[in-house]
Amino acid sequence: AQSVTQPDIHITVSEGASLELRCNYSYGATPYLFWYVQSPGQGLQLLLKYFSGDTLVQGIKGFEAEFKRSQSSFNLRKPSVHWSDAAEYFCAVGAVGYSTLTFGKGTMLLVSP
Amino acid sequence: DSGVTQTPKHLITATGQRVTLRCSPRSGDLSVYWYQQSLDQGLQFLIQYYNGEERAKGNILERFSAQQFPDLHSELNLSSLELGDSALYFCASSAANINEQFFGPGTRLTVL
Repeated sequence: AQSVTQPDIHITVSEGASLELRCNYSYGATPYLFWYVQSPGQGLQLLLKYFSGDTLVQGIKGFEAEFKRSQSSFNLRKPSVHWSDAAEYFCAVGAVGYSTLTFGKGTMLLVSP
Repeated sequence: DSGVTQTPKHLITATGQRVTLRCSPRSGDLSVYWYQQSLDQGLQFLIQYYNGEERAKGNILERFSAQQFPDLHSELNLSSLELGDSALYFCASSAANINEQFFGPGTRLTVL
């Protein structure tokens, strides 16, 4: 069975600073990987996804993530954080041939002025 | 806007009662998923339907059931409600058997 670990429950970043949110997964084969963002009171919005190919994937809102098979990681990055990025971020893993996703516990991003 | 709609947005009810949550998937999506999100459990997958048939089951209680209708909308039925069932319930949809899921805005259920 797949599993996802997001080791940071909360992260505080100054506006304009760079951001990296960590995600580690456990899965025996090549996974499908996703990052979702949830603003307060809202549903989850897909930021980016990795299915295959280039291990550096670009998403919406200036986010990118890098798949590193050797480290079983799929960390989310953004070079300069804006106050509107404050939200909860979820990493998820899916498996080839199965449509269900397993989500991490989420990382709450706080942006300080 | 993901294209997935959920009603109602908020629901307040009492213990022991039964409620029905409704979800309409994105146009053309055949798969519907239900999730429960609470502070202590995080985002938990409950159940998936694909074109009217149950496809996968997660941590869904026996008091909960779901179905997907011929027009592809889905309903999640929660019965004998307990205080601990208070949570956000999300519906998501995807095309065929693809992992990429699009989430609705959720239904916040409060059990008093």
